[in-house]
Amino acid sequence: GNSVTQMEGPVTLSEEAFLTINCTYTATGYPSLFWYVQYPGEGLQLLLKATKADDKGSNKGFEATYRKETTSFHLEKGSVQVSDSAVYFCALSDTGYQKVTFGTGTKLQVIP
Amino acid sequence: GAGVSQSPRYKVAKRGQDVALRCDPISGHVSLFWYQQALGQGPEFLTYFQNEAQLDKSGLPSDRFFAERPEGSVSTLKIQRTQQEDSAVYLCASSLGGDRDTIYFGEGSWLTVV
Repeated sequence: GNSVTQMEGPVTLSEEAFLTINCTYTATGYPSLFWYVQYPGEGLQLLLKATKADDKGSNKGFEATYRKETTSFHLEKGSVQVSDSAVYFCALSDTGYQKVTFGTGTKLQVIP
Repeated sequence: GAGVSQSPRYKVAKRGQDVALRCDPISGHVSLFWYQQALGQGPEFLTYFQNEAQLDKSGLPSDRFFAERPEGSVSTLKIQRTQQEDSAVYLCASSLGGDRDTIYFGEGSWLTVV
């Protein structure tokens, strides 16, 4: 079956630090990969996605590259801000109807 | 509205009560999903509708859970005889239905069973 493994949190960084959140996946097919973000008290929002190997998804300064050879989709940002504090979920879907499998989430706290 | 709307946002139920959670998807969205998110965990798939047809209900944890979408728009997730382990956030999501289309999530219904 499908599964997503992401690094455990919480991750605490100072403002302007570099962020990496690791994510690896197992899938039976050729999945699309996603990063979702959940800000405190809010719903899940799609942060970025990639649908094929070597694609780079990017949004709001965050980037992730679909690496088929290592089955990874690590999230990076060069300089985090306090407003980036949230829970980040790596996810995939590979069925014809977009059934999404999520990781357990990584809480990021950015301190001034 | 512009997004996926869920109600109620918060529900406290006594053990053994029945609850109904409503989802209004984005207008015109063919696909609708329900997920369950326990505290500190990622969302877990419950069920999927394509229009009014429930094509996958493999994630429903027991026969106490029932979902419907009779006219292919609004959906209701019903939980009968609630138990404490049902306490979670129930997320609804919708999409246009293409296999690469973006899925939009609602803010969720927070259920606490006491």
